[in-house]
Amino acid sequence: DVKVTQSSRYLVKRTGEKVFLECVQDMDHENMFWYRQDPGLGLRLIYFSYDVKMKEKGDIPEGYSVSREKKERFSLILESASTNQTSMYLCASRSGTSGFQETQYFGPGTRLLVL
Amino acid sequence: AQSVTQPDIHITVSEGASLELRCNYSYGATPYLFWYVQSPGQGLQLLLKYFSGDTLVQGIKGFEAEFKRSQSSFNLRKPSVHWSDAAEYFCAFDTGRRALTFGSGTRLQVQP
Repeated sequence: DVKVTQSSRYLVKRTGEKVFLECVQDMDHENMFWYRQDPGLGLRLIYFSYDVKMKEKGDIPEGYSVSREKKERFSLILESASTNQTSMYLCASRSGTSGFQETQYFGPGTRLLVL
Repeated sequence: AQSVTQPDIHITVSEGASLELRCNYSYGATPYLFWYVQSPGQGLQLLLKYFSGDTLVQGIKGFEAEFKRSQSSFNLRKPSVHWSDAAEYFCAFDTGRRALTFGSGTRLQVQP
């Protein structure tokens, strides 16, 4: 079974702190994603990566950056956390070998509270 | 603009009753369509997906969905709901940019 793990289930940070959210997948997937989930808004794409060191902005990249130094690991960085970044963050991965038919697999999520 | 709409924010059904969750999309061609479920405290799990061919697709847990091009819809159905189906359901599509575009979700409550 594909496994996508996220480093923390719950995180509490202070405004202005630098925050790292880590995601690891074990299926050698090329594509990895970070989404943000808010009530009534569904999931919104922050960033995605289709290869090591490659990244593309999603729909709401402002205030975030990402890093992908190894194929299995994709990090989301909040350079200076703000209260409006309090949310649930979901990581996902997807193979790129068979095109868009491939299933996207999700991690359990990190619920971040910024005080 | 490309978008997915789930018109029902919250639905309550009785256990054993049938269920239909609505999903409409806005896109110039036929996208790849997905339904995901998120149980409380869990990540998202794929229920089913549609790419082409037969417009009625079967998924896990007894769910099915029907693609209707004329209505730009991909509604999710289940003939008899179980209490364990209480969750949030998300419709999503892929238009070729690798990432999915999600609807806002429908929360399903099941009454005993």
